[in-house]
Amino acid sequence: AQSVTQLGSHVSVSEGALVLLRCNYSSSVPPYLFWYVQYPNQGLQLLLKYTTGATLVKGINGFEAEFKKSETSFHLTKPSAHMSDAAEYFCAVSEGDTGTASKLTFGTGTRLQVTL
Amino acid sequence: NAGVTQTPKFRVLKTGQSMTLLCAQDMNHEYMYWYRQDPGMGLRLIHYSVGEGTTAKGEVPDGYNVSRLKKQNFLLGLESAAPSQTSVYFCASRPALDRAIHEQFFGPGTRLTVL
Repeated sequence: AQSVTQLGSHVSVSEGALVLLRCNYSSSVPPYLFWYVQYPNQGLQLLLKYTTGATLVKGINGFEAEFKKSETSFHLTKPSAHMSDAAEYFCAVSEGDTGTASKLTFGTGTRLQVTL
Repeated sequence: NAGVTQTPKFRVLKTGQSMTLLCAQDMNHEYMYWYRQDPGMGLRLIHYSVGEGTTAKGEVPDGYNVSRLKKQNFLLGLESAAPSQTSVYFCASRPALDRAIHEQFFGPGTRLTVL
């Protein structure tokens, strides 16, 4: 079984400040990890993913995340927040390509607010 | 490429009514999924399909049925709608496992209210 915990349902940062959204996972097999972003009244868009290889992955819009197996974490960061980053962010895990249908398990989401 | 599309975008039902949500994808993906999104609960998998003519239950299947008669379409049915099914429904698709594209591609969602 797999699960995802996102610490903090709401995070507020000032424009230009560091963004840090936390994600911890559990998985019985080597996981694939994803961050999706959802802008208001829209569907989910992939920000970045970790499957194999380099543990620091870069995504769109200046976001990056680091897979830390020892900490079972996949935290999302961005050095400098922009007003357009305000959205809801979801961390998700799948059991790689060994799991049935590669099902995704999502965290409960973190709403990012960016203030002037 | 339209990607993943969902019909309708919005719907209001009365308790006990039935309806079908349609998901279509033009990416020739083998796998398709239906999720529901509720505040504070993230997305939860309702049903999924690994190919035409096959479906399987996800995490929260009760009260829903699905069909995959054509590879590009995945239908979600509510036979007798209940207020607890008020939610935003998302469809997603992805290629089969051997194509090394690991993420799911999401539609824009259907907002359903059951009164």
